[in-house]
Amino acid sequence: NAGVTQTPKFQVLKTGQSMTLQCAQDMNHEYMSWYRQDPGMGLRLIHYSVGAGITDQGEVPNGYNVSRSTTEDFPLRLLSAAPSQTSVYFCASSYGSRGNGYTFGSGTRLTVV
Amino acid sequence: SQQGEEDPQALSIQEGENATMNCSYKTSINNLQWYRQNSGRGLVHLILIRSNEREKHSGRLRVTLDTSKKSSSLLITASRAADTASYFCATDESGYSTLTFGKGTMLLVSP
Repeated sequence: NAGVTQTPKFQVLKTGQSMTLQCAQDMNHEYMSWYRQDPGMGLRLIHYSVGAGITDQGEVPNGYNVSRSTTEDFPLRLLSAAPSQTSVYFCASSYGSRGNGYTFGSGTRLTVV
Repeated sequence: SQQGEEDPQALSIQEGENATMNCSYKTSINNLQWYRQNSGRGLVHLILIRSNEREKHSGRLRVTLDTSKKSSSLLITASRAADTASYFCATDESGYSTLTFGKGTMLLVSP
């Protein structure tokens, strides 16, 4: 099993550019989430999904879009990148309430200049 | 907003010693989880304790949960240099597995 795969690992964007962070899992997990991690802030939830076709906002959703067309994939779209979106982004998946914690991807380090 | 708050923010011990980290939270929870993050890596799930449980063990890890005090502790026994990492508590309030993380405890275990 590959687990949770995130691409790219590193990305530099110019202010105003858009891009999609990819996330795929091969564990047939129902729940998937996106978090951002900033120094001294811990992890904050951006968006989450409890199944294909179902998404909802987390704590810091502004400037980001998600969709969940398949169980395996949960891409995160930055609509118009801003320096405040410079962060490390983690995708995670879980069996949900039946399961035993989240499996995290290795992260995407994004710099917006 | 941060739900869990870990204490201490940083902890430095020698190999073989025990390490204890504490987590306090604010609202009712479905379960509480502990994760480890090595520098520059993703988070690794360590242990989950449900709101109706008081103590749980996994290898060298012991987690306690006191819902009346809204607090949890993670004990790592006989620490090793490889345990050096940041440790985060995360609360699941709803059972929908949307986790709220604390800011973490940085543990340094010296040989």
